[in-house]
Amino acid sequence: GEDVEQSLFLSVREGDSSVINCTYTDSSSTYLYWYKQEPGAGLQLLTYIFSNMDMKQDQRLTVLLNKKDKHLSLRIADTQTGDSAIYFCADRDNYGQNFVFGPGTRLSVLP
Amino acid sequence: DVKVTQSSRYLVKRTGEKVFLECVQDMDHENMFWYRQDPGLGLRLIYFSYDVKMKEKGDIPEGYSVSREKKERFSLILESASTNQTSMYLCASSSPRGGAEETQYFGPGTRLLVL
Repeated sequence: GEDVEQSLFLSVREGDSSVINCTYTDSSSTYLYWYKQEPGAGLQLLTYIFSNMDMKQDQRLTVLLNKKDKHLSLRIADTQTGDSAIYFCADRDNYGQNFVFGPGTRLSVLP
Repeated sequence: DVKVTQSSRYLVKRTGEKVFLECVQDMDHENMFWYRQDPGLGLRLIYFSYDVKMKEKGDIPEGYSVSREKKERFSLILESASTNQTSMYLCASSSPRGGAEETQYFGPGTRLLVL
């Protein structure tokens, strides 16, 4: 079946950039998503990228997609303590309406 | 503002009890989903529904059932709770119209502890 992988933990210092990486196996993925989960809360959509794009920028967030390697990354510039959360990568193919989520990367921002 | 609500934030139940988790969405979405979230495993799909009275098994349906009697409400039922069902349960809904922006909207989650 489809699989989405992420590293489980990342620590950065406040003000540095964070880069969270994700790999996926489904070559028919049409949309790829990044979600953020703050402590005690559900998942909130951060951004998404269509599979025919290789980069998308949204304020402090930059998404890079390497479709050949099936690799997605999320860069957070000037990381703040409020960015501490779990970040989930997810894909959705064009045929289904189900999402496949990665295990989540717990980002810790150190002062 | 879109909203998915779940009936409880925290629940403590005993082994063998029947447990109901309720989810309500106010976005008139056709699709609704139940996931469980465990550390290091991410979200795993339990059941989903694309329409009223319709249900489909996800990746880990064993020990669970669901009910969708009304479009806005999707219930997850643990017929006889077991300790390995201690987890965070997340409900989500989405529209089937297919654009990238038609993401899944999540409720705040129910943290269930089975003793």
